[in-house]
Amino acid sequence: SYDLTQPPSVSVSPGQTASINCSGDKLGYKFASWYQQRPGQSPILVIYQDSKRPSGIPERFSGSNSGNTATLTISGTQPIDEADYYCQARDSGFLVFFGGGTKLTVL
Amino acid sequence: QLQLQESGPGLVKPSETLSLTCNVSGGSISSGSHYWGWIRQPPGKGLEWIGSIFYRGSTYYNPSLKSRVTISVDTSKSQFSLNLKSVTAADTAVYFCARQDLVVSTPTSFGLWGQGTLVTVSS
Repeated sequence: SYDLTQPPSVSVSPGQTASINCSGDKLGYKFASWYQQRPGQSPILVIYQDSKRPSGIPERFSGSNSGNTATLTISGTQPIDEADYYCQARDSGFLVFFGGGTKLTVL
Repeated sequence: QLQLQESGPGLVKPSETLSLTCNVSGGSISSGSHYWGWIRQPPGKGLEWIGSIFYRGSTYYNPSLKSRVTISVDTSKSQFSLNLKSVTAADTAVYFCARQDLVVSTPTSFGLWGQGTLVTVSS
């Protein structure tokens, strides 16, 4: 098994920068992905391969991954960014792991 | 564009088998560029990966569910399916199917998801 740890909640004021961390043993050696999930909706991939943004994802979303921590950063956070965020990684055996999720509140 | 749609019973009795199908439309399930996966989310909780399959049939399962899970693919119907046997109330969840992207021939992130379907285990 492989544990990915996220803070349960993060709060940010509109227009400010939000950072959400994801911790796991030697996570920096694995590709990290991030998903946004609004209430009642399916998750949406917002960052893959540590720092790449899929087509259609705003530039304010960025990611990094080093050591034991991956970080999702949202610059100029907007009220529409309020959602749950999940990190995800895969081990060498192709097994997939999700973090417990972080509720981002924009207030 | 490619779309995924889950289907199956919304209510399953304890000890029975949960069976879901994901229909892939607007693209080929046999492109060889993706794996296809199942993920679930109990009400009010986080995401849990169940397993993934390649169009040729190779599978990877969550070890915690492996003894009860079978994922299969039917390329002729552009579908892949999930069977979870001996279910209990703990298996009540929204079940998502998703397309898993390949990087250097290895599956990584889930770039496209279905809308999800709620399955309740109850007598």
